[in-house]
Amino acid sequence: GAGVSQSPSNKVTEKGKDVELRCDPISGHTALYWYRQSLGQGLEFLIYFQGNSAPDKSGLPSDRFSAERTGGSVSTLTIQRTQQEDSAVYLCASSWVSWSDRGEYGYTFGSGTRLTVV
Amino acid sequence: GNSVTQMEGPVTLSEEAFLTINCTYTATGYPSLFWYVQYPGEGLQLLLKATKADDKGSNKGFEATYRKETTSFHLEKGSVQVSDSAVYFCALRRLRAGSYQLTFGKGTKLSVIP
Repeated sequence: GAGVSQSPSNKVTEKGKDVELRCDPISGHTALYWYRQSLGQGLEFLIYFQGNSAPDKSGLPSDRFSAERTGGSVSTLTIQRTQQEDSAVYLCASSWVSWSDRGEYGYTFGSGTRLTVV
Repeated sequence: GNSVTQMEGPVTLSEEAFLTINCTYTATGYPSLFWYVQYPGEGLQLLLKATKADDKGSNKGFEATYRKETTSFHLEKGSVQVSDSAVYFCALRRLRAGSYQLTFGKGTKLSVIP
């Protein structure tokens, strides 16, 4: 597609329920990232997928969070047993990356999913 | 580890005023540096970037120079407009264990008044 698409744009869920957030990256982008944007906290890295390599999960805050990327394209971020502190905007970004890349290619971000846990 | 520190906002300026948003970083090696902008109700957009020391990134009248000696990447614009009102994020990207992870500052909200 023309840009990074995220769905849903807004999600309200009850505490303790599971949620799935979807990201559809730009076609051909090999790298996909999930970030969390909380009020006053900036952007927090969650997870990174690059091609067929093992994902970098170093930013996932707890084992309630998981993500997968099927076929090197669409990604789903799953939060189990949601807590109120999970309320935030979840951003997905994709990028073209080569191992000689010195950052010449910027990331393209989606508009995010605003998650509210009540 | 890698970190980015940028001046806290909010910053309020009159139209045509000079803008500086300070950004300093901590990282080993030679990271690439970025400024992203988030307009109200929109997603983050890449504003400008610099990939090596002394590089100057520029776009839409904004500039930032990669200063390795001071580990800084301050954002400047000579004459701001109301349409520049947004949240600005400084970020660095460093290859770490095969991952090009972007590390962001907390963002600086800019409001430009007519």
